[in-house]
Amino acid sequence: LAKTTQPISMDSYEGQEVNITCSHNNIATNDYITWYQQFPSQGPRFIIQGYKTKVTNEVASLFIPADRKSSTLSLPRVSLSDTAVYYCLVGPLGARQLTFGSGTQLTVLP
Amino acid sequence: GAVVSQHPSWVICKSGTSVKIECRSLDFQATTMFWYRQFPKQSLMLMATSNEGSKATYEQGVEKDKFLINHASLTLSTLTVTSAHPEDSSFYICSARRLALEGDTQYFGPGTRLTVL
Repeated sequence: LAKTTQPISMDSYEGQEVNITCSHNNIATNDYITWYQQFPSQGPRFIIQGYKTKVTNEVASLFIPADRKSSTLSLPRVSLSDTAVYYCLVGPLGARQLTFGSGTQLTVLP
Repeated sequence: GAVVSQHPSWVICKSGTSVKIECRSLDFQATTMFWYRQFPKQSLMLMATSNEGSKATYEQGVEKDKFLINHASLTLSTLTVTSAHPEDSSFYICSARRLALEGDTQYFGPGTRLTVL
């Protein structure tokens, strides 16, 4: 499984757009990129998954450049309730296990 | 959406006792479930992979005789922490793998906080 690197923490203010970038230089051809959100004392929640270019759902957007060596999770107009740890994971669909990195602690300030 | 539940949500037990944690996929069948452990301010660490109808696969360093896993049906996996000790106190999280036309995603339970006195 490809190793990922994310910033340890980020601060933002309510209403702003937040972009969290994840580096995965060793991503394999059949690897997908998946982002999870975790609140304290809760299990991770699936946010978004993509392979290339751009993916958008009702919660976030995922931007993946052509070389796929990085990806950016974009959260539009964050609120205080978006304060959480965000994990970027890379692996093939059907991977039997997920390897969690250290994640990014996003703190949204009023 | 896919829902995974865990029971209990928290448990406090005495050292030396055993504790069973249940993980259920409520609206889909899961041939594979996973058990993770998370210590405060740390990331999730995979403990074992639970396969319906067969033995679990444990990660290196995880004692299979201490953490008993049973995947009795396509919607239920259980983790039993035997002879629990204070160092086993942690947040235990399960996930269930859902296969669908649109992809293959793991959905996580809400976690179980275990405190061993």
